[in-house]
Amino acid sequence: DTGVSQNPRHKITKRGQNVTFRCDPISEHNRLYWYRQTLGQGPEFLTYFQNEAQLEKSRLLSDRFSAERPKGSFSTLEIQRTEQGDSAMYLCASSFSGSITSGNTIYFGEGSWLTVV
Amino acid sequence: AQTVTQSQPEMSVQEAETVTLSCTYDTSESDYYLFWYKQPPSRQMILVIRQEAYKQQNATENRFSVNFQKAAKSFSLKISDSQLGDAAMYFCAYRSAYGGATNKLIFGTGTLLAVQP
Repeated sequence: DTGVSQNPRHKITKRGQNVTFRCDPISEHNRLYWYRQTLGQGPEFLTYFQNEAQLEKSRLLSDRFSAERPKGSFSTLEIQRTEQGDSAMYLCASSFSGSITSGNTIYFGEGSWLTVV
Repeated sequence: AQTVTQSQPEMSVQEAETVTLSCTYDTSESDYYLFWYKQPPSRQMILVIRQEAYKQQNATENRFSVNFQKAAKSFSLKISDSQLGDAAMYFCAYRSAYGGATNKLIFGTGTLLAVQP
């Protein structure tokens, strides 16, 4: 098990273009999360999946953002018509809900940096 | 809504010395988890230590320990025998333990720890 994997690690795009990030969670983890982190700030919750169902979306997730987890394994986060304010690191995380004693510890990937120019 | 506050934007410690990072939180829930995560520069966020609110005993992990004061809603992290590799941004985080709630983490703004040789 290699942990949560994200790609691309870095993306520079022009304003108005669409970008897509992919996240591969730890195998057997049924919960998957997307967070956004700007420089010097803590991560902010964007959305959460349990298996393939998207159970919560933050109001930070505007209509330009869409996330999917079609088969309950990997997930994608797409940002349409990017704006400079979208520049941030997008973090994916996963956890397993089956163990009460683990406290459902959430494990993070290395993040995908987005720069919108 | 729950909030997490880290009032120390930056801290510094001499190698081999002890440092304490502060965290306070606000919640009306009685059952929850608290975490400290470490994020080295341009590196993955990793879990340092976890505390279940129902446990009175403070969690410890090798050189890392917490002082959990539930009534005061305080959750500080003590790092003993500081090492150069401890230099990182440290985030305090809260997660509800209720089954019906989203398992998202709510983060503080972080404390940047520098370790002086």
